[in-house]
This record gives sequence, C-alpha cells and structure tokens, in this order.
Amino acid sequence: SAVISQKPSRDICQRGTSLTIQCQVDSQVTMMFWYRQQPGQSLTLIATANQGSEATYESGFVIDKFPISRPNLTFSTLTVSNMSPEDSSIYLCSVEESGEEKLFFGSGTQLSVL
Amino acid sequence: DAKTTQPPSMDCAEGRAANLPCNHSTISGNEYVYWYRQIHSQGPQYIIHGLKNNETNEMASLIITEDRKSSTLILPHATLRDTAVYYCIVRVAWYSSASKIIFGSGTRLSIRP
Repeated sequence: SAVISQKPSRDICQRGTSLTIQCQVDSQVTMMFWYRQQPGQSLTLIATANQGSEATYESGFVIDKFPISRPNLTFSTLTVSNMSPEDSSIYLCSVEESGEEKLFFGSGTQLSVL
Repeated sequence: DAKTTQPPSMDCAEGRAANLPCNHSTISGNEYVYWYRQIHSQGPQYIIHGLKNNETNEMASLIITEDRKSSTLILPHATLRDTAVYYCIVRVAWYSSASKIIFGSGTRLSIRP
C-alpha cells in the first residue's frame, strides 16, 4: 500500500495569509485527491489532481481559493489562499494506485486560522 | 454517484459481531459498494468493497443484497480498537474517469467493554 507523507501536520495561520500543504507519495500514482474535514464533520472532496492535467474542482471549490499543483506522479500541493477562520479544518491528501481500487490517506494537516 | 443512508450511531459489545447497515437504493449497475472507517484524528482507512457478490477479507465481511439496494458490513469479533466512524460509499469503477469517492455522514460505532 502507498505511504503518504503530508506536511505540515498542523499550522496556525493569520487571516488573509496563504498556506501550501505538500503531499508526497512513496510510489507513482495516477489519481490524487484533496479532501477537507471541518470540525465534527465528514470529509468533503475539494478536487481531483491528475498529473499532466488541470485539477478538477468539486462544486463550491474554486481554483483561485484552492490552487493545486501536480508536477509529477509522486507529489502534489494544495494551497489555501487568503485564509479566513472558516478555513479552519483538517486537509487530507489521498491517492489511488492503479489496479488497487482503493484510496490511501495521509494523516492530514490540521489548520487553524485566527 | 448514488447516495447512501446509514444510521448515525450504533454500539456493540466487545467480542460480538458488529453489523453496520447501509441503504443505497439508487445504486447503478456499474457502481461498487465501498466501506471505509476513520478512527479519531486519523485519515480514513479502507476496509472492503464489492460489486454484487459477498466479500470477506481479514478485517470484515460485506454482504450485498441480491437487488444491490442495501448492504451490511460485518466486523466478526469487535474490539475496542474498532471504535470509529464507518462510511459506506458507492462509486463507479476506479478506472473510470468519473470515479471519485464521496463521503456521507457515516455511522459512529462505539464498542463497549
């Protein structure tokens, strides 16, 4: 199974600033997904990031707010831009290896915006 | 993707079988049933998935009704470490460009000693 490293594991940020979250996988994967989990809630899919193409965003999420990079098959970043307290959440990276038919998740980034 | 309905919470005695139901009455013929769980403060963990046949692995069994409109996840001998939120999800095949995993609200399972 894929091993996923997410950085930072947690951060406290000021309103109006931006934070970039990194997701590193120990194997090449085609599909990567970014999720958000607000306090006490289930996971919400932000976008699908496939290498070599623009990320596909879910309803309610836009590229200007959550720009995503996917430079190669083992790495992706999610930026939370112009943060407000409503962005305080856990952000999770997940990957699906070809033929595995299941998602593996990183341990998440706990973001608090003051 | 079809929607799923799960009870918000359940409890089970340690050592007994935990049976978690899921309703997915609008499931399409090409959609699989997946189960994940999330233990507090961790990323979700894959448990099992199936299309129409019952499935078993080292963690659990998945029973899918013949009409595929509902399923049950069975943890055969629940332990305290099985306390988690369990998510039932339906999705089209992983190799489809439209495939993605959408989480519902899940069932919070509590195992009592």
